[in-house]
Amino acid sequence: AAGVIQSPRHLIKEKRETATLKCYPIPRHDTVYWYQQGPGQDPQFLISFYEKMQSDKGSIPDRFSAQQFSDYHSELNMSSLELGDSALYFCASSRTLGDNEQFFGPGTRLTVL
Amino acid sequence: AQKITQTQPGMFVQEKEAVTLDCTYDTSDPSYGLFWYKQPSSGEMIFLIYQGSYDQQNATEGRYSLNFQKARKSANLVISASQLGDSAMYFCAMREGFETNFGNEKLTFGTGTRLTIIP
Repeated sequence: AAGVIQSPRHLIKEKRETATLKCYPIPRHDTVYWYQQGPGQDPQFLISFYEKMQSDKGSIPDRFSAQQFSDYHSELNMSSLELGDSALYFCASSRTLGDNEQFFGPGTRLTVL
Repeated sequence: AQKITQTQPGMFVQEKEAVTLDCTYDTSDPSYGLFWYKQPSSGEMIFLIYQGSYDQQNATEGRYSLNFQKARKSANLVISASQLGDSAMYFCAMREGFETNFGNEKLTFGTGTRLTIIP
């Protein structure tokens, strides 16, 4: 069965650089969620989209922005990277808003040097 | 206040024994959902089981069952006949505002329990 695809799987950036993380949800899933998991931490919700519109927002820094495109894939753009942005970034998708299960992707491990 | 509390940072269990991972939650919303996820050392998050606040029966999925005690606000995960492959980090999570849907989709996670199965 198709799963959530995230690219790249690993990314290394310098401080103050920008990064773009991509998420391709499971086919026919219209809702996407982004989470950030710092080293040894629990995942923290960043932002979600339903039908290309932002549906909820968590503790996402102003330096980050995200959007969902017409094909339902989503991109998380991160600017002016800081050392503290080093984390595992998960994308999850669900069939529609309110669906019980959020299927998580394998994550993108971002390292900021 | 913490919305999800997992009081066991780590547990060691003998293979084939049953194990209970504790989770308590805090919400004033009458509609919510409780989830358990498994995170192996490889990093992916694997959905295990779900319990809705209005569900009358405890959820079960194969070797996983959820001991839901609504009055005590606890949602413990029970793994029967543990296997070596069960060694992982386990997260309890909650979604509030279950019935209002739009704008209440985020999962709030606990700090996790690292389970190690001993051969």
